[in-house]
Amino acid sequence: DQQVKQNSPSLSVQEGRISILNCDYTNSMFDYFLWYKKYPAEGPTFLISISSIKDKNEDGRFTVFLNKSAKHLSLHIVPSQPGDSAVYFCAASASGGGADGLTFGKGTHLIIQP
Amino acid sequence: GAGVSQSPRYKVAKRGQDVALRCDPISGHVSLFWYQQALGQGPEFLTYFQNEAQLDKSGLPSDRFFAERPEGSVSTLKIQRTQQEDSAVYLCASSSSRLSYEQYFGPGTRLTVT
Repeated sequence: DQQVKQNSPSLSVQEGRISILNCDYTNSMFDYFLWYKKYPAEGPTFLISISSIKDKNEDGRFTVFLNKSAKHLSLHIVPSQPGDSAVYFCAASASGGGADGLTFGKGTHLIIQP
Repeated sequence: GAGVSQSPRYKVAKRGQDVALRCDPISGHVSLFWYQQALGQGPEFLTYFQNEAQLDKSGLPSDRFFAERPEGSVSTLKIQRTQQEDSAVYLCASSSSRLSYEQYFGPGTRLTVT
């Protein structure tokens, strides 16, 4: 039973446009959410996170939105750049303090078209 | 500063062999995590250490899997009598404290059991 779901295995976006990656979760105990980016043959790299007490967090071109009532979060990348092409994982934690393994989605492969 | 390193990067084992996978976390990081990533899936939590104490091993799939971190730094994941379903990328991550949600991943060890 997948507690974190990324329903789009892949997404193609034109360079310069907005990329929107979606993530849904089922466990209401999750209190912290993270996005990781992964290039082939490398480990996931932390991108941005959000606490469940917030609904938005922004860092440069990256913004994460959290809708707790819908158990949905999204990652917006504006403007999209060729180097953004990677697999993006949504992850969640229920530990209340960070001392916990993360629960990951299956990932979305983002392809930025020139 | 060095990131998380893992060795070997690739391991081929015949079914029934024992393997040992090593993780060197970021210096000074208290927390260490092991994940298993099957092809086309997100990472799945295996086990967690805080310093040398293994606080959670709920994700280990069977008693053939064993992890240790005897001095609170380097960790080893051992798989006994490997089976084909053990083929996956094994990722190690560390974080600076038990209060930190952000985990920093190594490049992984790709294990292939033939």
